[in-house]
Amino acid sequence: GAVVSQHPSRVICKSGTSVKIECRSLDFQATTMFWYRQFPKQSLMLMATSNEGSKATYEQGVEKDKFLINHASLTLSTLTVTSAHPEDSSFYICSASETSYGYTFGSGTRLTVV
Amino acid sequence: QQQVKQSPQSLIVQKGGISIINCAYENTAFDYFPWYQQFPGKGPALLIAIRPDVSEKKEGRFTISFNKSAKQFSLHIMDSQPGDSATYFCAAGGSNYKLTFGKGTLLTVNP
Repeated sequence: GAVVSQHPSRVICKSGTSVKIECRSLDFQATTMFWYRQFPKQSLMLMATSNEGSKATYEQGVEKDKFLINHASLTLSTLTVTSAHPEDSSFYICSASETSYGYTFGSGTRLTVV
Repeated sequence: QQQVKQSPQSLIVQKGGISIINCAYENTAFDYFPWYQQFPGKGPALLIAIRPDVSEKKEGRFTISFNKSAKQFSLHIMDSQPGDSATYFCAAGGSNYKLTFGKGTLLTVNP
């Protein structure tokens, strides 16, 4: 089946630095990828829709200058958390689809900002 | 985003029992209803999904029941096992392929 690889799985960074998270579709091409954020014991909140070759579409309330998304190829989307602060600490998850609805999720990235 | 309401928030079932989780939606434009299983520290994994043109779909021990008129759908886990202990999310998707998730149900299956 479809596999989505997400790296790193865990990252600890200092406040004020930037962190990049990669999401790769390993055996299929994904025109669209989605980025989610999940707080402990809560549901997944969609942050943005990443479209290959065009600008990402952000959900209301998500700061596009803080969460930079790049979808440079049909198999890779990146999320960069810029000038990270402790409140950005969370579990970030990407998803990608080979077909219209068959979304596969990555294994997630636990970001801790100290 | 339109809301998807999920209940119960938590559920404890004995091994071999039936686990039932319910979801309700409001947006009639939704046409895809998946259920995801998530273990701690992992991304969600698709369990089973249904389209509104069928009322029930079964895959192994997992069954989705769908009631279009009531705008409700549920997940039934038959012969629940301790390994099924996880958080389950229902979701709903529309033509823009975005998924709206329920708040999740923490299932505990006691041995």
